[in-house]
Formats: sequence, structure tokens, C-alpha cells
Amino acid sequence: DQQVKQNSPSLSVQEGRISILNCDYTNSMFDYFLWYKKYPAEGPTFLISISSIKDKNEDGRFTVFLNKSAKHLSLHIVPSQPGDSAVYFCAASEGLAGNMLTFGGGTRLMVKP
Amino acid sequence: KAGVTQTPRYLIKTRGQQVTLSCSPISGHRSVSWYQQTPGQGLQFLFEYFSETQRNKGNFPGRFSGRQFSNSRSEMNVSTLELGDSALYLCASSQIYSSSTEAFFGQGTRLTVV
Repeated sequence: DQQVKQNSPSLSVQEGRISILNCDYTNSMFDYFLWYKKYPAEGPTFLISISSIKDKNEDGRFTVFLNKSAKHLSLHIVPSQPGDSAVYFCAASEGLAGNMLTFGGGTRLMVKP
Repeated sequence: KAGVTQTPRYLIKTRGQQVTLSCSPISGHRSVSWYQQTPGQGLQFLFEYFSETQRNKGNFPGRFSGRQFSNSRSEMNVSTLELGDSALYLCASSQIYSSSTEAFFGQGTRLTVV
């Protein structure tokens, strides 16, 4: 039973346009959500996070939106750059449950020049 | 500040052998977690250690074990290796008692079982 799902395995976007990556979760106990970027054979790199008391968090070109009623979050990247091409993972945590993250299956983003 | 360091980066082992992987967390981070990444199962949580105690454990067989030392460094051990244990093993550290719980990952150890 996948508690965190990323239904789009891949996404292709033109450079300069917006990239929108989606994530759904089923566990109501999750109250902290994170996005990671990953290149092959490397560890995930933390991008941005949001707690359940907020519905939006911005950091530069990255914005994460949380819709708790729909159990849905999304990552917006504006403008997209070729260097953003990587696999993006959504992860969730039950508050201060420690370093125990449940990950989605990932979305491969390709930004075309 | 140095990041999370995992050694070795690559390992090739034979089925039935055992293996030990090492992780040094970011200085000051006391929580260390381990994850397994495979093409079929994605990123899965193995276990988490805090103050030398295992606090959480994922759904993996007892062949997978770990420990944490007083300096927060951690090791994980896999005994009686199976072909299906071939994966990228990732270690992550965090400052658990802070306002956020983002985990910082090492580059991983690529284990190949032949």
C-alpha cells in the first residue's frame, strides 16, 4: 500500500516554462512534506519543505503547495532550466517522527533547451 | 560544514556473504537513517537510530541490521546476501529536535550482489 504516490513517472517541459510535479498521499498522520531532487548514483538533495499548518512555501524558483483536504501537494519550478532535469521525489513525515520518510516513486523531469 | 559521508561508494559481494556499510552524519546531527533504493521498490526506509538506539524500523527482514556509535556514526549490516539486495543504500542525517525534519543524504553505497 503506497502511502505517497507520484502518478506521473515523467514530465517534459520547455526551458523557461513552468514545471509542475504532483504528489498524493493517503496517511492523514503525515504533517510534514519534502521535495528532493536526485541524480543517478547520488543521494537525494533537499529542495523545499512544507508543514501541514501552511498551504504554500516559496524558495526562489521553487514553490510547494499543500492541499490538506485533497491530500495533495505540488512542486512548481519557475522558470524551468535544463539543469533542473533530474528525478524529483516527494516525501512525507509524521511530524517529529524522526528521520523516517516515506517516499513517492519519483517523477523524472526533463527540461528541454 | 562537511556533508553526510558514506563508505565505501561501491561494493561487489557474493551471494551468502555479509556486508557492512558505514555512514558519518553531518556534525551535530544525532539522528541517522538508512534507506534502500531499487528500481522496482523505489526508496524504502530501513531503520533510524538516535542516541545509539534504534527508534524506527521499516519492513525489512532481520538480515538487515544496524547500529550507532556514541559519536553518531552509524553502520548497517546485511548478512546472508541475496541477489535482490543489490541496491543503492543511502544514509541520511538530521537534527531531529529542531523546527523542521529535513534529512540530508549521503551519496550512497552501490552494492552489487553476484
